[in-house]
Order: sequence, then C-alpha cells, then structure tokens
Amino acid sequence: DIQMTQSPSTLSASVGDRVTITCRASQSLGTSLAWYQQKPGKAPKLLIFLASELESGVPSRFSGSGSGTEFALTISSLQPDDFATYYCQHYNGFPWTFGHGTKVEIK
Amino acid sequence: QVQLVESGGGVVQPGRPLRLSCTASGSDFSYYAIHWVRQAPGKGLEWITVISYDGKTQFWADSVKGRFSVSRDNSKNIVHLQLSSLTGEDTAVYFCARPSYGGNYPLAIWGQGTLVTVSS
Repeated sequence: DIQMTQSPSTLSASVGDRVTITCRASQSLGTSLAWYQQKPGKAPKLLIFLASELESGVPSRFSGSGSGTEFALTISSLQPDDFATYYCQHYNGFPWTFGHGTKVEIK
Repeated sequence: QVQLVESGGGVVQPGRPLRLSCTASGSDFSYYAIHWVRQAPGKGLEWITVISYDGKTQFWADSVKGRFSVSRDNSKNIVHLQLSSLTGEDTAVYFCARPSYGGNYPLAIWGQGTLVTVSS
C-alpha cells in the first residue's frame, strides 16, 4: 500500500500569511493526488485534484503543486475561514490512503 | 444538487453487526462508484472501501477486509455497508462519498456522516 507522509502536523499562522503544507508518497503517483479541507464536525471538502487543479468554487488563494512523490498545498494569503485541518490523499490505485493531516491554527 | 445521506449509525456491542446506508438524490446515481471513508474520534481520515457503479467490483482497506461488506441497489439509489465483527477500533464517523466525474477522480461529494460507537 502507498503511504502518505504529511508535514507539518500542526502549523501556527496569522491572517495574511503564506502557508505551505507538504505531502510525500512512498511511491510515484504521477499527479493522482488530492487535497481536502476539513472543519470540526463537518465532512471533508475537496480543494485540489490532479495535484494542481482547483476544484470548482475553491478560492484562487489555494494552489497545489508537485508530481511523482512530492506534493505541496499553498495558501497564498491565509484567511479566517482557512483555519482547519488539511489532508492529502492519493488515488493512484486501491487502496486509497490519506495523509495524517495538518492542522492550521491561529498564531 | 446531488446529495448523499448516511444512516444506520448508533451504539453497537462488540462483535455485533450493523448496517449503514448511503442514500443519494439525483438521477445519475448508477453512473458513479461510491466510497466509504471513516474517521475515529479526534483522528484522521481512513478510506475503507469502494463499490463500482454496477456493484460488480469492490476494493477494501486491510483494516476491514473480510469483516465488512458493501452492496448497492441502483433502482433505489442506495448503498449498504455491512459491518461485522466490530471492535472498539471501528468506532468512527462513517462517510459515504463519490467523485464529481466518472473514472478515476477523488471525492467531491460527501454525506454528513453517521457515527458508529462500538461499546458494551
């Protein structure tokens, strides 16, 4: 099974900051990598698919990059609504697996 | 607007079975695979299974393989996840979800989740 290693596990930042979360896969995914945002008590929300494609309706301050085994999610200017937990997930064959999550907290 | 709604969660004793359901609105239900993802309290997301659009193919996470089963009835827009041999480690919110598009795409449409608590 493909292992997904996400870092950091927690990130403290201020409104307006640029933040980057990284995700490493144990084997090459091509670009079959997605990013989700989850808030407490809610279902995850898809932000990015195909490593860098923005899901419809997602603000342009979110961007994804990478291919193969190294990926990143960047928020260009953190907004109050962005404080949440973020997960990467591969979909390059089953079983799909998620990273362990990055909690973005208010500094 | 496509919606997925899970039901069937609750408190169940260890070893007892439980059946969860995922009901979809919309006329295109039979075109899409349906996935189940769970989240233990305070923990991350765990993908557990997928059933193909026609119900003929399933894939499983090792953690539940052989204990859980999945089926679908496209005439009723419903997918069932049968849980058995439950332990405390199966306590979680169970989400059903599906891609926006057919083929190999991630999960864009999610239900609200249903909580399963395994406890004596």
